[in-house]
Amino acid sequence: NAGVTQTPKFQVLKTGQSMTLQCAQDMNHNSMYWYRQDPGMGLRLIYYSASEGTTDKGEVPNGYNVSRLNKREFSLRLESAAPSQTSVYFCASSRVNTEAFFGQGTRLTVV
Amino acid sequence: QKEVEQNSGPLSVPEGAIASLNCTYSDRGSQSFFWYRQYSGKSPELIMFIYSNGDKEDGRFTAQLNKASQYVSLLIRDSQPSDSATYLCAVRPTGGFKTIFGAGTRLFVKA
Repeated sequence: NAGVTQTPKFQVLKTGQSMTLQCAQDMNHNSMYWYRQDPGMGLRLIYYSASEGTTDKGEVPNGYNVSRLNKREFSLRLESAAPSQTSVYFCASSRVNTEAFFGQGTRLTVV
Repeated sequence: QKEVEQNSGPLSVPEGAIASLNCTYSDRGSQSFFWYRQYSGKSPELIMFIYSNGDKEDGRFTAQLNKASQYVSLLIRDSQPSDSATYLCAVRPTGGFKTIFGAGTRLFVKA
């Protein structure tokens, strides 16, 4: 049982490049989330998907798009990366009103 | 005002002492409260969750919730050096999916 799997683990992008962060969970959870974590800022919610077919903005959605491909997969896309998007990105999943389980994170650097 | 506030610390306690971590939240409709531990370079992992007013104990950990004061805390008894980590408070509204995290409190337990 892998839990929540994110790919890639590390990525360096040049300003203006695009990329997609992939996330998959095998716990049959309905809800999935994307967070970013910056020093001193804690985890900030980018987007979430309450259930398959729905997505909603979180606290910091600007510059990102998401796709809930199916119940298992939830991807995060940066269309035109900026240095301000340098961060650690975490994907998580949960059932309603229960705790979230996190992936191992993706360290993204935009130069 | 941030939705979930924590003292960033660092909080330093000697081995064997009680560590007290505090969190306040702004949304009175919040119903689910979580404490996560995050070691440096790792993903957050759940320690405790609490839904009702009062105390909830699990081993050396006790979560306390006071909805009237919009306050939730985590007590760690008999603190160990291995408890040194950042502790994240998280809050979710009733039937909601948008889990919001505080910035975290860094705890150091001195041997």
